[in-house]
Amino acid sequence: TQLLEQSPQFLSIQEGENLTVYCNSSSVFSSLQWYRQEPGEGPVLLVTVVTGGEVKKLKRLTFQFGDARKDSSLHITAAQPGDTGLYLCAGAFINNAGNMLTFGGGTRLMVKP
Amino acid sequence: NAGVTQTPKFRVLKTGQSMTLLCAQDMNHEYMYWYRQDPGMGLRLIHYSVGEGTTAKGEVPDGYNVSRLKKQNFLLGLESAAPSQTSVYFCASSYRFGAGYNEQFFGPGTRLTVL
Repeated sequence: TQLLEQSPQFLSIQEGENLTVYCNSSSVFSSLQWYRQEPGEGPVLLVTVVTGGEVKKLKRLTFQFGDARKDSSLHITAAQPGDTGLYLCAGAFINNAGNMLTFGGGTRLMVKP
Repeated sequence: NAGVTQTPKFRVLKTGQSMTLLCAQDMNHEYMYWYRQDPGMGLRLIHYSVGEGTTAKGEVPDGYNVSRLKKQNFLLGLESAAPSQTSVYFCASSYRFGAGYNEQFFGPGTRLTVL
């Protein structure tokens, strides 16, 4: 069973601060995704990283995939209240029967104005 | 396009009762999934389907059954509900091939409470 550990579980910061969320595994994934989930809704994909060492930027969000494709990080610069939500990492592995994802436990972020 | 829809949005059951959760997608996706979400545990896969008429067990299948009689629908059944099945249930779907093939599109969830 592939497992993904996310840290921290909870994060409460002031508007304008920077933060980093980590996602670690002992398994190698073919790709890794980050989703954001708001209360009462399903997760929505933010980004997919595929290549070891890959860095992708989405406005103030920077995503990195580890060289060995076992870990990833999400860095938010100058956080805003609109960034509040649950952030989930998900590792993808391909088997013969489906595009399976293994989800981390999530990081609940609260950005206070 | 409605994307992925789920019914009902909320449900309260007594222990031993049965119910069916319905998921529908209008994106012509081949793959569909049922997850449950519990605090601090992320999303755990219950069952999934790679096409019409086929289903398979995920990580936590016990106490649940599924059916996919039509490509656009994926049903999740609880035959005899237990308090341990109190959770938020999410349905998702994805393409089989192509760019972004493993992006999963989620429904809004069903909040189930078993008393």
